[in-house]
Amino acid sequence: ETGVTQSPTHLIKTRGQQVTLRCSSQSGHNTVSWYQQALGQGPQFIFQYYREEENGRGNFPPRFSGLQFPNYSSELNVNALELDDSALYLCASSLKTGGPYNEQFFGPGTRLTVL
Amino acid sequence: QQQVKQSPQSLIVQKGGIPIINCAYENTAFDYFPWYQQFPGKGPALLIAIRPDVSEKKEGRFTISFNKSAKQFSLHIMDSQPGDSATYFCAAINNAGNMLTFGGGTRLMVKP
Repeated sequence: ETGVTQSPTHLIKTRGQQVTLRCSSQSGHNTVSWYQQALGQGPQFIFQYYREEENGRGNFPPRFSGLQFPNYSSELNVNALELDDSALYLCASSLKTGGPYNEQFFGPGTRLTVL
Repeated sequence: QQQVKQSPQSLIVQKGGIPIINCAYENTAFDYFPWYQQFPGKGPALLIAIRPDVSEKKEGRFTISFNKSAKQFSLHIMDSQPGDSATYFCAAINNAGNMLTFGGGTRLMVKP
């Protein structure tokens, strides 16, 4: 069983640029969630994708957008990067079964630095 | 808006000690409370979780205590080991099941 993988591991961008982060779900999972973890803080929910549709969004501006593909992999896109976007971006996959809670399995994250 | 408050921010104990991490929540729609362990360079990993209809849950050396009326819950690590040194996050999720709300984290160091 392959776990959640993310690419790239590290990325450096300058303010105003755009970035795309990628995530491959754990085998058999159909749902992907993205979180932003600033240094020394807990992860904050950005959004979740289920069956290629957004299924919930946290308090992030529209310049944060995402996609989920038919193979359940996902992308997080951030436009017009700001210095405060520097963080660890975590992807988590889960299998939505209709039950009250489906465990989310996290990848190792992508460390984004905005200069 | 921090809906889950976690304390302390850092904790140092000797090997064999029992570190206790506390969390409090505000949103009564939360109905599942997991704890995550995160090592440097890794993503969070689920440690143990509890529902509000249960007052205590034990898994190995890890115990969650839950006080629904006070909207508080805590993690106890029995017989702590240096390998338990990590950052611990409490979290909560509502019955829509899509959004984990995390506490601020506790950095635990267990000295040999």
